This record gives sequence, C-alpha cells and structure tokens, in this order.
Amino acid sequence: KQEVTQIPAALSVPEGENLVLNCSFTDSAIYNLQWFRQDPGKGLTSLLLIQSSQREQTSGRLNASLDKSSGRSTLYIAASQPGDSATYLCAVQGGSEKLVFGKGTKLTVNP
Amino acid sequence: NAGVTQTPKFQVLKTGQSMTLQCAQDMNHNSMYWYRQDPGMGLRLIYYSASEGTTDKGEVPNGYNVSRLNKREFSLRLESAAPSQTSVYFCASSEQGHGTQYFGPGTRLLVL
Repeated sequence: KQEVTQIPAALSVPEGENLVLNCSFTDSAIYNLQWFRQDPGKGLTSLLLIQSSQREQTSGRLNASLDKSSGRSTLYIAASQPGDSATYLCAVQGGSEKLVFGKGTKLTVNP
Repeated sequence: NAGVTQTPKFQVLKTGQSMTLQCAQDMNHNSMYWYRQDPGMGLRLIYYSASEGTTDKGEVPNGYNVSRLNKREFSLRLESAAPSQTSVYFCASSEQGHGTQYFGPGTRLLVL
C-alpha cells in the first residue's frame, strides 16, 4: 500500500528566506506526483505536476524535483513571502486514478 | 468559468438522516472524485468516476453511494449519516485519469 510522508509537519520562516519542503513515498511505481496548496477553510489549488519520467518542474518561484527511484520529492520556494503561508500537500498517483496524499506541511512566513 | 462547484457549503445532520452532496464542473473533464479530509488523517479518496456512467471505490467507500449523473455532475449520498462521517468533503475533477486534479471549495458536514 502506497504511503506518503511529509516532513516537517510545520515550518516557520522569516520573509525572504528560501525553503525546501520534503515528500517521500514508499512505492516507486508512480505515474505522477502533484503538489498542492491549501489555504485555511479553502479547497486545494494545484501548484505543480511532475510526470514519472521528469526530474523537475518549475512555476515562478516554485521548483519541484522528483527522484522516483529513492521515493522522494522536494518543493523549493524561493524568496518566501507572507502570502506563501498555507499548508502544502504532496500526492502521488499510481496506475489507477487514485491520488494518495501526505498529511501536509503547514508553512508560516513571518513579515 | 466557475471550475468545480459544491453545494451545500455547510450542513448539520442528525444521526440517521440522509443527504446528498452535489458537485458540478464546467471544464468538460472526464474524471471526477470525492475525498474526505479529517484532522490527522489527511485527504482520502471515497469514490471516483473515470467517465460518465462508471464509478469505482476509493479508500473509504463504506457508508457512501455516488452517482455520475452526466459528464458535469457527480453526487455523493449518505443514506444514514453517522458521527464518524463528520468531515470536510471535497469534489475534484481532471481532464483525464492521470492529469492535474482541480478541487472544489468543500462541504463541511457535522453529524450530531
């Protein structure tokens, strides 16, 4: 059974800092990995999708990497801003359509 | 273009009552999903539909039924609500099975 772990569970940083969020998964037979953002009381917003054949994806200040063989992904956020404060969720998708989610990392960026 | 919409936003039920959560998407997506989100448990898939007329069980299907009414709409029904079904329910859709999933704003359900 696929399990997804996100470390740390919570992270607090000063504005302007570069930071890395970690995601690990137990079964490397994945189709893709997706990173989402969730603001309090809101739904999930897709940030990046990395296909299993890709090593990384970039969108603005966000860069996600994937090392499928070791079962790891990282989300790099450059020059963090208070507006980046949210919970970040990692999810993997295998051969079926089922997404398996981690429990998230709650990020707080302090002005 | 509203994306994925869900109704109601919030609902309180008594144990044993029934209700249907509604979800609609206007992106012409083929696949639709229902998740529940609980503190400490994360998001878990209840049911999904790969196309109109098909549905499949996810990780936690017990106590729920679904209907893919047409390509746009995917409803989730609780026939006899239990306190363990208190949760936040999210609907999502994707163009095809292995693509980006787009989420609705959620329905907060409290079962007393």
